[in-house]
Amino acid sequence: EDQVTQSPEALRLQEGESSSLNCSYTVSGLRGLFWYRQDPGKGPEFLFTLYSAGEEKEKERLKATLTKKESFLHITAPKPEDSATYLCAVQEGAGGTSYGKLTFGQGTILTVHP
Amino acid sequence: EAGVVQSPRYKIIEKKQPVAFWCNPISGHNTLYWYLQNLGQGPELLIRYENEEAVDDSQLPKDRFSAERLKGVDSTLKIQPAELGDSAVYLCASSSGLPSYNEQFFGPGTRLTVL
Repeated sequence: EDQVTQSPEALRLQEGESSSLNCSYTVSGLRGLFWYRQDPGKGPEFLFTLYSAGEEKEKERLKATLTKKESFLHITAPKPEDSATYLCAVQEGAGGTSYGKLTFGQGTILTVHP
Repeated sequence: EAGVVQSPRYKIIEKKQPVAFWCNPISGHNTLYWYLQNLGQGPELLIRYENEEAVDDSQLPKDRFSAERLKGVDSTLKIQPAELGDSAVYLCASSSGLPSYNEQFFGPGTRLTVL
């Protein structure tokens, strides 16, 4: 069974204080690893998809990286508007029993103080 | 481009009552998903549709939950009867058709409270 564990559960940063969020996963053949941002009262908003170990993607102050066992979401010089819950999800590849299904972690609640 | 539309946004009912949620996906998206999200948790898949066909409903509690997507566009998720433990946010998402399952776009969700 696919498993996704995110850490820490909550992270408080001062504006400008860079840090990283972790997503550890176990999956039978990874098709893709996804990062989403979720604001209170809203649905998850797509950020990145990573497909293979060594891949990196960037968007503004966010950079996502992938290894064979985990992914990191690096936040450089965060601003208060980056405050949100960040969700990681894995998608199983062909041959798995749950092909195409997204399995989410529990999320990391990020709070950036001005 | 309009996003995924869900209604109602909030619903409060008493236990044992029925409830229904509606979702209209992004135009042209063949794949539609219903997720359940409990407080402090990530979304969990309930059912996935490819056009009109439910291709993965293994996580749907079929004794009380049902879903339909009759014309391959909008979809309805129903609970009858609702139980206290059904209180959660019900999210609908859509994505473009096979072979890409990537980039699921989510609606704002329906927050259900069962009293």
